[in-house]
Amino acid sequence: GAGVSQSPSNKVTEKGKDVELRCDPISGHTALYWYRQRLGQGLEFLIYFQGNSAPDKSGLPSDRFSAERTGESVSTLTIQRTQQEDSAVYLCASRLDRAANSPLHFGNGTRLTVT
Amino acid sequence: AQSVTQPDIHITVSEGASLELRCNYSYGATPYLFWYVQSPGQGLQLLLKYFSGDTLVQGIKGFEAEFKRSQSSFNLRKPSVHWSDAAEYFCAVGGFGNEKLTFGTGTRLTIIP
Repeated sequence: GAGVSQSPSNKVTEKGKDVELRCDPISGHTALYWYRQRLGQGLEFLIYFQGNSAPDKSGLPSDRFSAERTGESVSTLTIQRTQQEDSAVYLCASRLDRAANSPLHFGNGTRLTVT
Repeated sequence: AQSVTQPDIHITVSEGASLELRCNYSYGATPYLFWYVQSPGQGLQLLLKYFSGDTLVQGIKGFEAEFKRSQSSFNLRKPSVHWSDAAEYFCAVGGFGNEKLTFGTGTRLTIIP
């Protein structure tokens, strides 16, 4: 079966522009996560969706960042007025359910470069 | 607050030699522990996980890890590395009722002939 799919794989944008990143989770996975990975650093939690519950937005670094997910399907991460410090790989992951011992399945990420 | 420390940023090992990657965690309850591997340009792939029971867990690609509660450690080992093991390795911690995984900063593994 298909894994987690992210698009685009690479995105170069000018400072100040808005960008939208897309994640298609594994079918049937109720939980979806966004992480940010800056060069040479670990994964930084951004936001978590679980079914129809209110998302956990505690990791979003500023109000320029937002994410949506409709039901248990596609999610989009939007960054408004991009800054150079937003340059990173944005990873999406899904898991079957909310159980903490259910492993995360990651996409290949979107590499965002802000010039 | 939960945290993960991977003290080695970069490790170089000869092909065929043994490997141990260190991971120390801080978690207020019984931890769920994971090791992930990330090849260049790829997402993270789960190598192995520990939830309970036997403290020595086996994973894919010949990797194993041992949970030591007294040392708050979950070190990853492999008896003989292959050139294809060159990648970035991440340790992560979570727990019952805690849906967010916290990741370490990763250890980059280089294999030399």
